[in-house]
Amino acid sequence: GAVVSQHPSWVICKSGTSVKIECRSLDFQATTMFWYRQFPKQSLMLMATSNEGSKATYEQGVEKDKFLINHASLTLSTLTVTSAHPEDSSFYICSASPSTSGADTQYFGPGTRLTVL
Amino acid sequence: SQELEQSPQSLIVQEGKNLTINCTSSKTLYGLYWYKQKYGEGLIFLMMLQKGGEEKSHEKITAKLDEKKQQSSLHITASQPSHAGIYLCGAAAGGGADGLTFGKGTHLIIQP
Repeated sequence: GAVVSQHPSWVICKSGTSVKIECRSLDFQATTMFWYRQFPKQSLMLMATSNEGSKATYEQGVEKDKFLINHASLTLSTLTVTSAHPEDSSFYICSASPSTSGADTQYFGPGTRLTVL
Repeated sequence: SQELEQSPQSLIVQEGKNLTINCTSSKTLYGLYWYKQKYGEGLIFLMMLQKGGEEKSHEKITAKLDEKKQQSSLHITASQPSHAGIYLCGAAAGGGADGLTFGKGTHLIIQP
């Protein structure tokens, strides 16, 4: 149980275009999902907390107008990278916690590799 | 902000040998998570420790939490090639549903 999926697994886009990444909890509901970014040979950095039915909370230094987050249901959160540039190329990973879990165990998706040309 | 320091950064171990990875936090630990990642892939949840002195085991992997020292260790017994990967420790900033802060990871290589 506790499976999180992401789509697409990889995407290549031209500079200036927007890219949407989906994060789904397949067998549980999650009122909270998290988005992380990982640059090559570096650790994961938390970008934002996605809350179902409300605005996302962004970490310091993360542009909320550039990284749009929509958490429309208890099983889906989307991250849209707007006007993508080569420096946005990275590995984006989401995580989710089962709503009923008091232990806050976070399960991670397989990640989405974004390459901006 | 909380920082997690992992040691060693990389580790090469002969198959069958034991090894230990450490994770030290700059602040009080409310929950310490261990994940395994293969390069370019998602994270596999290993264990979560919440209480000081807590110790959990899964197959040949054991993790302990020393709350006073703000430190956790991950021990692998009789390592196998399947243990190779990047081990990440993560910690929540508070006691609720928070995003995690991660250490830089320990890259484990198992030599046959």
